[in-house]
Amino acid sequence: GAVVSQHPSWVICKSGTSVKIECRSLDFQATTMFWYRQFPKQSLMLMATSNEGSKATYEQGVEKDKFLINHASLTLSTLTVTSAHPEDSSFYICSARSQGGYGYTFGSGTRLTVV
Amino acid sequence: KQEVTQIPAALSVPEGENLVLNCSFTDSAIYNLQWFRQDPGKGLTSLLLIQSSQREQTSGRLNASLDKSSGRSTLYIAASQPGDSATYLCAVYGETSGSRLTFGEGTQLTVNP
Repeated sequence: GAVVSQHPSWVICKSGTSVKIECRSLDFQATTMFWYRQFPKQSLMLMATSNEGSKATYEQGVEKDKFLINHASLTLSTLTVTSAHPEDSSFYICSARSQGGYGYTFGSGTRLTVV
Repeated sequence: KQEVTQIPAALSVPEGENLVLNCSFTDSAIYNLQWFRQDPGKGLTSLLLIQSSQREQTSGRLNASLDKSSGRSTLYIAASQPGDSATYLCAVYGETSGSRLTFGEGTQLTVNP
């Protein structure tokens, strides 16, 4: 099956610093990856869609200068939260759509806490 | 705009019961529907993927059906176990959503020993 590896699983950072989250497709090429944010007891909120080799498409209300997305290869996409603040604390999950009838595959998520 | 609704929002059952989770969507022009499971603090695990041309999919104790014309899907869990306790999410992928999934709000299932 299709596997997406996401790291780190949790991170604590100080306010004002930047944090990078990686998402790798291990056994398939992901031309498109998706980044979600999830608040407690809520469903997933799509933040942006990243396409390999081009700029990401951000959903309305998502600050593209705060949430930098890079999709430099067919197997790696990164989300960098810049100048993090406590309100950026959340659960971030990546996803990719695989071929071969597996649908969408999700990473294990990253719990970000900004102190 | 596609909207996905899941009922009930929460469900608590004793171990061994058979149960049904419901999902409805407003735009029937979908390519597929996917059921996921999410444990607390974890990512999503795909359970079943139903293509628009299919009526149902089965995996172990799970059976998912799809009635595209009426905009409904059900997830049937047989002989529920405490380990089935999780949030179950339904998501559709269709013509009106580009390449994005549209999620329901989920059903939080608790199976009591």
